[in-house]
Amino acid sequence: GENVEQHPSTLSVQEGDSAVIKCTYSDSASNYFPWYKQELGKGPQLIIDIRSNVGEKKDQRIAVTLNKTAKHFSLHITETQPEDSAVYFCAASRGGGADGLTFGKGTHLIIQP
Amino acid sequence: NAGVTQTPKFQVLKTGQSMTLQCAQDMNHEYMSWYRQDPGMGLRLIHYSVGAGITDQGEVPNGYNVSRSTTEDFPLRLLSAAPSQTSVYFCASSTGQEQFFGPGTRLTVL
Repeated sequence: GENVEQHPSTLSVQEGDSAVIKCTYSDSASNYFPWYKQELGKGPQLIIDIRSNVGEKKDQRIAVTLNKTAKHFSLHITETQPEDSAVYFCAASRGGGADGLTFGKGTHLIIQP
Repeated sequence: NAGVTQTPKFQVLKTGQSMTLQCAQDMNHEYMSWYRQDPGMGLRLIHYSVGAGITDQGEVPNGYNVSRSTTEDFPLRLLSAAPSQTSVYFCASSTGQEQFFGPGTRLTVL
């Protein structure tokens, strides 16, 4: 089955700096790669996703890049703000998300004031 | 729309007890799934459903049963609870793309 590795497990950055979280996946048939943000005591919430026919996607301060050849994808957050502090998860699916997701183990992002 | 709702929010069981975690969605989504979240492990897929009457196993299905008699509801049953099933359980629904997660049920098995 699919295996998703996520790094780093903890990331501390100064407010206003950029943060990058990286994931690799093992199943070349995976075609959907979402990123979720989870705040304490809440369920994960989708922040951005990318499909295998696209190399990069941006939404304001957030961007995701996908390298299908190397089987890795990354989340980039620019101009970080205190409210960006949370746990971020990457995930992969071969069914476009319909047959469930395989998640990475998460990155705890800490924004230092 | 209420989105995805889960009950109960918290539950404590003794080893060997059975219970059902409820999940409902009002978005008319075809796809629903159950995950468990353990510290340092991320979320792991237990079971999923691609429509009423159709379910399949995920990564960690042992000890859990599911059924999908309606589009709205997708209950998760623990037949004989074990301490290893202590976890936070999340239900999600989807159109086949973005998955919408419920607020979770925190289960402790003593």
